[in-house]
Amino acid sequence: DAGVIQSPRHEVTEMGQEVTLRCKPISGHDYLFWYRQTMMRGLELLIYFNNNVPIDDSGMPEDRFSAKMPNASFSTLKIQPSEPRDSAVYFCASSSSRGYGYTFGSGTRLTVV
Amino acid sequence: AQSVSQHNHHVILSEAASLELGCNYSYGGTVNLFWYVQYPGQHLQLLLKYFSGDPLVKGIKGFEAEFIKSKFSFNLRKPSVQWSDTAEYFCAVCPFSGGYNKLIFGAGTRLAVHP
Repeated sequence: DAGVIQSPRHEVTEMGQEVTLRCKPISGHDYLFWYRQTMMRGLELLIYFNNNVPIDDSGMPEDRFSAKMPNASFSTLKIQPSEPRDSAVYFCASSSSRGYGYTFGSGTRLTVV
Repeated sequence: AQSVSQHNHHVILSEAASLELGCNYSYGGTVNLFWYVQYPGQHLQLLLKYFSGDPLVKGIKGFEAEFIKSKFSFNLRKPSVQWSDTAEYFCAVCPFSGGYNKLIFGAGTRLAVHP
């Protein structure tokens, strides 16, 4: 099992540019979660999906953020336009409906300059 | 609202000292409980978990945790820490509810172990 795969590992972009983060969950997992981690705010849940359907997006900071899950093996988190305060590590995690805990990806470190 | 409280934000210990990190949650129903560890620059990894049965659970690297239902607590312990245990530790709770599979994380405890 390759685990949860995120890409890219690092992203540096200029303010105002569009950023797309990608995630491939573990095969067979029916939940997918996007988290943001910063020193100031810690680990924040942005959005999560069940069977490709967004269930709770109350953590998405504002309309500049959007997430999609077109199929069971792929999800994207898009920021458009990006701002310096979006700089953080973004983690994707997946789990099965049995509630056995999450498996996290290695994260994408986003720097917006 | 459901929440998870970790009592210490920063803990500094010397090698071979004993460790106990506190975790309390606010939810009256059935829960699954987890501790995750994040080593510097890495992602969160599962340290141990409790679903049912023996309330004392053992995890990787000599860690253990005890679930005390009456106190809504799930404290993490290790009898003798090593420098390599320097990391951030997160307690997490998964309540049995409509949004069953949603993990609620605590704010984390940063542990620094000095040689």
